This record gives sequence, structure tokens and C-alpha cells, in this order.
Amino acid sequence: EAGVAQSPRYKIIEKRQSVAFWCNPISGHATLYWYQQILGQGPKLLIQFQNNGVVDDSQLPKDRFSAERLKGVDSTLKIQPAKLEDSAVYLCASSFSTGGGQETQYFGPGTRLLVL
Amino acid sequence: GENVEQHPSTLSVQEGDSAVIKCTYSDSASNYFPWYKQELGKRPQLIIDIRSNVGEKKDQRIAVTLNKTAKHFSLHITETQPEDSAVYFCAASFNDYKLSFGAGTTVTVRA
Repeated sequence: EAGVAQSPRYKIIEKRQSVAFWCNPISGHATLYWYQQILGQGPKLLIQFQNNGVVDDSQLPKDRFSAERLKGVDSTLKIQPAKLEDSAVYLCASSFSTGGGQETQYFGPGTRLLVL
Repeated sequence: GENVEQHPSTLSVQEGDSAVIKCTYSDSASNYFPWYKQELGKRPQLIIDIRSNVGEKKDQRIAVTLNKTAKHFSLHITETQPEDSAVYFCAASFNDYKLSFGAGTTVTVRA
């Protein structure tokens, strides 16, 4: 089966600029996750969607980050305005789960963001 | 929230030897414990996982053990090979909500 797709793969912006990332999950996967992975650390969950509803966004810096998943398929993550500390790899993952399961999360290749 | 600690942060082993990585978690409600392998510049990939209703699971050279009472779980790689060199992450969650990752262990297999 096709994997999780993300674009762009790399992005360089200056601080205070805006940036958006796109994710297309595996077909049929109800749950979609956005993670932030800072160099040398494990992925940190930013937001979790189930279909087009938000399950958890407790670790999303809502003053600058936003995410949506229209129609319960593709998702976009936006940062506005970006700060230097936002430099990281942004990973999207999806799982089949419709809630309450212990389903495997499949990761996309990530978008590597550098904020100058 | 869940807090996962992972040790060691780096591990160097001779080819053919075993490697062991240990993780502890804080939330006693956690019941799902996957392990991911991430090669340089690539996406994390699931290599093995364990649910709370079992104490051990094995898949060829990889095994995971879980001690729910002590709230820790471990990854064991036997007969290590150069292609086992990577960063390994443990994680814990209640079902598949809010998967929390450890900081990672960089494993280097010396030829």
C-alpha cells in the first residue's frame, strides 16, 4: 500500500514568516497525527485527528500553530509567525484506528524546517 | 501526562553481540508499547510492539519484555548486524492516544 505522503520535504524560512506543511495519510486511515521532532529528541505529538475532529491538541502552541483536516483525509499544519525554536522535522503519521484500538502508526518522510 | 525515559542514550556493540535498551513510563494506564527504528534522515518505522496483556514478544532477533508492576519495558537485539545501526525510540500510550516517545538510543554496531 502507498505510504504517508508529506510535502514539502525541506523548507527554509526567516523568523516571523509563515509556513505550511501538507500530509496525505494512508488511504482508509481514520486517525492522523502531527509530530515535531527536534534534533536529537524523540517525536513530540502536536495534534491528533480522528476523521476530521481533533482528539488532542494539548501540546500544540496555539498562538502560532494551527492545523486542520478537512473532509477527514488530507491535513495541513501551519506556523505563523515562525520562531527560531520551530526548527525541527515535522512528521505526519496515520493509523487505521477509529478510536480505542492499539493500531500501528505509520510515519511519513517528514518536512525538515529551518528557521533563520 | 505520560513521561517516558529511555536509557542509554548511546550504545556501541560489537557485531554479533546483544544490545539492550530500557525504558520506563509514568502512567500506569498505558497499555501499548511500540518500538521504532529511525535511520539517519529517514522516517521512524515500527519494528515491534507489545500490549499490556503479555509480558514478552519475540520476532526473529528482536524481543521486547514488559514489566507492568515496575512500569518498564526493554528491547533486546541479539546477534547484532551492521544494519542494526540506527536510533531506536520506545513509546507508550493508552490505546493509541497520545503516544509519548523516549529521547532515543543511538546504536552503533562495530564490524
